[in-house]
Amino acid sequence: SQTIHQWPATLVQPVGSPLSLECTVEGTSNPNLYWYRQAAGRGLQLLFYSVGIGQISSEVPQNLSASRPQDRQFILSSKKLLLSDSGFYLCAWGRGPGGAFFGQGTRLTVV
Amino acid sequence: DQQVKQNSPSLSVQEGRISILNCDYTNSMFDYFLWYKKYPAEGPTFLISISSIKDKNEDGRFTVFLNKSAKHLSLHIVPSQPGDSAVYFCAASAQNSGGSNYKLTFGKGTLLTVNP
Repeated sequence: SQTIHQWPATLVQPVGSPLSLECTVEGTSNPNLYWYRQAAGRGLQLLFYSVGIGQISSEVPQNLSASRPQDRQFILSSKKLLLSDSGFYLCAWGRGPGGAFFGQGTRLTVV
Repeated sequence: DQQVKQNSPSLSVQEGRISILNCDYTNSMFDYFLWYKKYPAEGPTFLISISSIKDKNEDGRFTVFLNKSAKHLSLHIVPSQPGDSAVYFCAASAQNSGGSNYKLTFGKGTLLTVNP
């Protein structure tokens, strides 16, 4: 069966510090991978998606970047965090129209 | 521009009664619709889905109805149970032009509270 791992679960970072969130998927190959963010009082916003190694599409202009160095690894990064980057970050994988399967999320607080 | 709208931020229902969660969409290219359930500090879990070629899909206590002409879908939970209390997200997907990806567009969610 497929599983998705996302870490860390919580993170408190100062403004201006770098960020690296990692996500890995097991039990499947060549999945579509996604990074979503849920800001306070808002829905889930798609930030990045990837259909293959090294292929990254950005949905919204922002202070973040994503990379996919391996087939089942997806990384969300920032060189300098802003207060507005605080939120609940979710990694997900999917294939076809059947929807996406989410990790447990990372609560990021920028102080 | 919000393509998927859940206009009710919250809903409170008595245990045993029916819960009806509504969702509207604007993008006619959406061809697959999903409902997710989310508890605090956890990732959303898939609940039920429906293809645009159908108007109803049922799975146990959960039924999703799709009205394409009105661009409206709803999730019915009957009978509602206290464990159903969570945030419910409506999502829609449209196959992209390359045919290899199905991006999900989510609504803002509805907090369902089922009272014992």
